[in-house]
Amino acid sequence: SQTIHQWPATLVQPVGSPLSLECTVEGTSNPNLYWYRQAAGRGLQLLFYSVGIGQISSEVPQNLSASRPQDRQFILSSKKLLLSDSGFYLCAWSPPAYNEQFFGPGTRLTVL
Amino acid sequence: AQTVTQSQPEMSVQEAETVTLSCTYDTSESDYYLFWYKQPPSRQMILVIRQEAYKQQNATENRFSVNFQKAAKSFSLKISDSQLGDAAMYFCAYTTSGTYKYIFGTGTRLKVLA
Repeated sequence: SQTIHQWPATLVQPVGSPLSLECTVEGTSNPNLYWYRQAAGRGLQLLFYSVGIGQISSEVPQNLSASRPQDRQFILSSKKLLLSDSGFYLCAWSPPAYNEQFFGPGTRLTVL
Repeated sequence: AQTVTQSQPEMSVQEAETVTLSCTYDTSESDYYLFWYKQPPSRQMILVIRQEAYKQQNATENRFSVNFQKAAKSFSLKISDSQLGDAAMYFCAYTTSGTYKYIFGTGTRLKVLA
């Protein structure tokens, strides 16, 4: 069966520090991959999605970036965190050409 | 542009009773999919139910069912025999066939009273 992992689960970082969040999927190949952010008490905002290695589409211009160095690995990065980057970050995957998304456990990021 | 609206920020239901969560959407597409996701305090997003727009029959998963009104662009979730474990945020989501983007509503917080 397929599983999706995210780490770290919790992260506290100072303003201006770099960020790297990792997401990996097991048990499938060529998944579509997604990064979402959820602010406190709010819905989900799509940040990036990827349909293949090296293929990244950005939905929201900001100081975050994403990379997909391997088929089942999706990384969310920042060179300098802002206070407004605090939130809950969710990674999700879907099979190719299939519309149902499956979510990881999430990472709670606090920028101080 | 497609939008998803959940007009109930919070709902309460007595244990064992039935509750309906509302969702409306706006789209000009004819081929699309609708979902309800549950987010418990752990914040893990769990798929509750899905509905394909081309299907007239309302989807059902155990105690969860939807009322899909395509012409009215309405997609409500009914939870029967509510249980304490149903307490969570519920999100309505929309996507079109052939795209990769979900649009989520702002969520409804469901409280289940013992």
